[in-house]
Amino acid sequence: DAMVIQNPRYQVTQFGKPVTLSCSQTLNHNVMYWYQQKSSQAPKLLFHYYDKDFNNEADTPDNFQSRRPNTSFCFLDIRSPGLGDTAMYLCATSRVQLGTGELFFGEGSRLTVL
Amino acid sequence: SQQGEEDPQALSIQEGENATMNCSYKTSINNLQWYRQNSGRGLVHLILIRSNEREKHSGRLRVTLDTSKKSSSLLITASRAADTASYFCATDYNNNDMRFGAGTRLTVKP
Repeated sequence: DAMVIQNPRYQVTQFGKPVTLSCSQTLNHNVMYWYQQKSSQAPKLLFHYYDKDFNNEADTPDNFQSRRPNTSFCFLDIRSPGLGDTAMYLCATSRVQLGTGELFFGEGSRLTVL
Repeated sequence: SQQGEEDPQALSIQEGENATMNCSYKTSINNLQWYRQNSGRGLVHLILIRSNEREKHSGRLRVTLDTSKKSSSLLITASRAADTASYFCATDYNNNDMRFGAGTRLTVKP
């Protein structure tokens, strides 16, 4: 059974039209991550939540926002998508105890901005 | 920004051969992890090695870690066509940040 579920798997949007991507987990992990992965590149960390504490990467554009209403769910909001935001968006979870443990990834949401 | 670099960027081998990928990183770490990604899919965890460990094995995988050189290697022995994928190392950079290296694209020819 899938433990980290991302929706939608595929999203096509118009330039400037807001998009929300969702991630849910059944693992009860305390950390949730959002990564952006462009074609043939490494995943780039956008931000992560440690419980309710939000940690933004310094180079994450303000256009990207996130919400974590409860332990199980996390959302990525792209307020005004640009063509350069076309990418795979990956959600991951981890249980942090003595250092960061294994990350569990969803299958990703592939976003295309036209 | 990325935490580390990997080499080679791409590797093509025959089935049955061994594949070695290297990862270098920039700062001190608690642990280093290796992941695999099939095309268009999410990443799958392969192995975690802690900063006080030097070598770890899991099936056909062998990982080494040299903290003095800030580098790690992943060896896949007796490769199979199904091992074709991209392989990434990741380090816990700072306060639970998990950052990935550039990755190695492995092709195993049958």
